[in-house]
Amino acid sequence: KNEVEQSPQNLTAQEGEFITINCSYSVGISALHWLQQHPGGGIVSLFMLSSGKKKHGRLIATINIQEKHSSLHITASHPRDSAVYICAVTQGGKLIFGQGTELSVKP
Amino acid sequence: EPEVTQTPSHQVTQMGQEVILRCVPISNHLYFYWYRQILGQKVEFLVSFYNNETSEKSEIFDDQFSVERPDGSNFTLKIRSTKLEDSAMYFCASSLGQSSYNEQFFGPGTRLTVL
Repeated sequence: KNEVEQSPQNLTAQEGEFITINCSYSVGISALHWLQQHPGGGIVSLFMLSSGKKKHGRLIATINIQEKHSSLHITASHPRDSAVYICAVTQGGKLIFGQGTELSVKP
Repeated sequence: EPEVTQTPSHQVTQMGQEVILRCVPISNHLYFYWYRQILGQKVEFLVSFYNNETSEKSEIFDDQFSVERPDGSNFTLKIRSTKLEDSAMYFCASSLGQSSYNEQFFGPGTRLTVL
């Protein structure tokens, strides 16, 4: 069983739509990260959170520690948001990654 | 803005050869990591490094792998005798403090192809 599960695995949206990507984890963590991976392969950190909610531009990340669940929301989606979004949790000194959600936003 | 750099961007090698992947972490960062991503699979932790020592390593990180910080700027991953299954994208990352409380910054990756 994967320690970090994301859903959906693939998501296609129309420009302007509100998008939600979910992440559930089964291990004790000290923090949860949302990362973005572009087609070229590079990984960029979007959020690190251990409680509550964080917002950066059109991106919002929430975490519920009791339910071991986090969501990443994208408001007013745009084709440039197309990428793989990865949830990862910090356990000790390492990150444990989910399998990623491939998002495609059509104009 | 400071960034993590990696060289080369793509390395092709023959099975059994040694390869060294190089990383230059952000200059004031103290914790360093290597991850790999086999094509189509999730990113996997390999090793963490702090204070000139390996802090933690995964099951993947066997005796064929080693890491080193040979000088004040570079952080290297050596694979002694490459296998076909070592073909993957290798990412270096660094953080200012322990990753429990600090964001990790990733390099652009080195794509290793073992023939």
